Amino acid sequence: DTAVSQTPKYLVTQMGNDKSIKCEQNLGHDTMYWYKQDSKKFLKIMFSYNNKELIINETVPNRFSPKSPDKAHLNLHINSLELGDSAVYFCASSQGPIEGYGYTFGSGTRLTVV
Amino acid sequence: AQSVAQPEDQVNVAEGNPLTVKCTYSVSGNPYLFWYVQYPNRGLQFLLKYITGDNLVKGSYGFEAEFNKSQTSFHLKKPSALVSDSALYFCAVRDQSTGGFKTIFGAGTRLFVKA
Repeated sequence: DTAVSQTPKYLVTQMGNDKSIKCEQNLGHDTMYWYKQDSKKFLKIMFSYNNKELIINETVPNRFSPKSPDKAHLNLHINSLELGDSAVYFCASSQGPIEGYGYTFGSGTRLTVV
Repeated sequence: AQSVAQPEDQVNVAEGNPLTVKCTYSVSGNPYLFWYVQYPNRGLQFLLKYITGDNLVKGSYGFEAEFNKSQTSFHLKKPSALVSDSALYFCAVRDQSTGGFKTIFGAGTRLFVKA
């Protein structure tokens, strides 16, 4: 039983298209995140949600719109895709913002914009 | 601002030898430090954490890390490396200024263990 699952695993699309990535966790965690990992493997937070509420928006272009219909789901919609959006996007969850909890990551969505 | 630095892009070690992957941190207040491992085409996996207490913390797969407040370091160690330990390792710090809602990751260190 996958703890944090993302779909799709791979996404190849043309510039200008709109696409969505879905994330679900079955751990009962309160907090969910989106991270972007670039080609140099550098990880940067994009968004943080707690109980469906947006907490962190890390100066991400407004072409990226997260949505959390319930605390088990956090989806990411991207409008007008650009070449620079090509990266691996990771969803993660944790029991809360409390310092002692580590993250559980999904396996990632590799987005390639051509 | 909270930050972590991993000074080595890559660490090479022979199987059976001890390994160390270095991490230094900069935080205001008490540090909440983590190590994660990423295998190819996989998400990150939590290895261990330091919150408070003993400076030597033990984690998964035989890894441990030593917290050193005076040197602001949190190095990852293992007494005897395995080929299967070859992966990308990330040090991370929980950013208290955001109420703990953000974790900042280092740039990663690639570990190669040679048979």
